[in-house]
Formats: sequence, structure tokens, C-alpha cells
Amino acid sequence: SQQGEEDPQALSIQEGENATMNCSYKTSINNLQWYRQNSGRGLVHLILIRSNEREKHSGRLRVTLDTSKKSSSLLITASRAADTASYFCATASTTDSWGKLQFGAGTQVVVTP
Amino acid sequence: DAGVIQSPRHEVTEMGQEVTLRCKPISGHNSLFWYRQTMMRGLELLIYFNNNVPIDDSGMPEDRFSAKMPNASFSTLKIQPSEPRDSAVYFCASSFEAGAGYGYTFGSGTRLTVV
Repeated sequence: SQQGEEDPQALSIQEGENATMNCSYKTSINNLQWYRQNSGRGLVHLILIRSNEREKHSGRLRVTLDTSKKSSSLLITASRAADTASYFCATASTTDSWGKLQFGAGTQVVVTP
Repeated sequence: DAGVIQSPRHEVTEMGQEVTLRCKPISGHNSLFWYRQTMMRGLELLIYFNNNVPIDDSGMPEDRFSAKMPNASFSTLKIQPSEPRDSAVYFCASSFEAGAGYGYTFGSGTRLTVV
């Protein structure tokens, strides 16, 4: 079963616009991670935020985490055509000490030039 | 490092045949995960290893599926006999101390088609 649920399922924007996607989860977590998957490729790790952190930045990416609402958001600023991909959130539950990740269904982002 | 290496990239086989998928994790990573991705079910965790020892295989769908990790640099996922519903993309991922909160590095996947 999937732990995280992304919203929206699909997002279409123009180059230069910001893209925001959300992730909700059900259990207590140690950390939450975001991954990108280009068509026909494997997933690429983007950013990790721990349960005691509220916000994290990496380049054009900004991630927030609200553990009280069990939700996270990923913001991509000044999007580019190369950002076209599916984005997945993944959670590491406090009930697992081995770092097992449960992935959501993903948000499909299309950035048009 | 060349990253996580999976082979073959594509596999087409007939129902009932044995299929073996291979994975070479990143050197120094001690956690290895096998996932399956389909449109209907998304990414499903099948099994994971820590220091070559299987930790949890509860995601393996049936006894037809088995996985081994004989050493730190090699793992296999075997399906015997294969069925059309096994058609999916199978990913291997490795991590350095995943339990301490490190991210995964995924391979490019094996696209399996069972006809």
C-alpha cells in the first residue's frame, strides 16, 4: 500500500512559472524524501527533510514539512522544460529502523517552453 | 562510481519461463531494495536487504518470486514461473545507511514483459 499521496496528480505549467505539489501521509515518520523520475528512467533523489525540520532548500527546490498535518510540499521555482517529470514523495516510518521507504503515486509535471 | 547497475534493461519472455533480474549496488552501500512499478499499483517494495541479509520480504507477491544477495556487490530477483501479470518495471535501489536517513540511488530498471 502507498503511504504518501501526492496532489495534484498532474500539473501543466509554462516555463518560468513555479510548480507546487503536495504530499500527505498517514503514519509518524523519521524523514520524508522527494524523488524525480523522467520518462523511462529510474528515480533520482532530490531532497530529504527530517521530522524535526520544517523547511529545506536546494537550488530551485523548496520543501516544507508539517508533521502535525502529516503533509509536505515541494516547490520548484522558475521551472524549466527540463523539469518535466514525475515527482514522488516517500516516507520513512518510525516503525521501521531500516530506512524502508513507502512511495506515493506521484505528480506528473509538464513544463512547456 | 557508475551508479546502480541493472540488467537486462528489457526482458520479453513467455509465460511459464524463469526470469532472473540482476543488480549491482553502489560500492559501500549496505542497503539494497527491490521495487516494482506499474501504472495500476505504482511503486511497490518487494524485498530489502541490509548487509546482504534479507530484512523484510513481505512485499514479495507470491512464492514464485525469490531474491538473493550472495555478496555486497550483487543481487538477483527471480520469478519462476513467470505470468503476464508480472509485467512491470523492476527497480533496484541502494543506500548508504538507509536506516540513518540517507536517500536511495536507483538503477535504470528492467522492463519485464511476459507474454
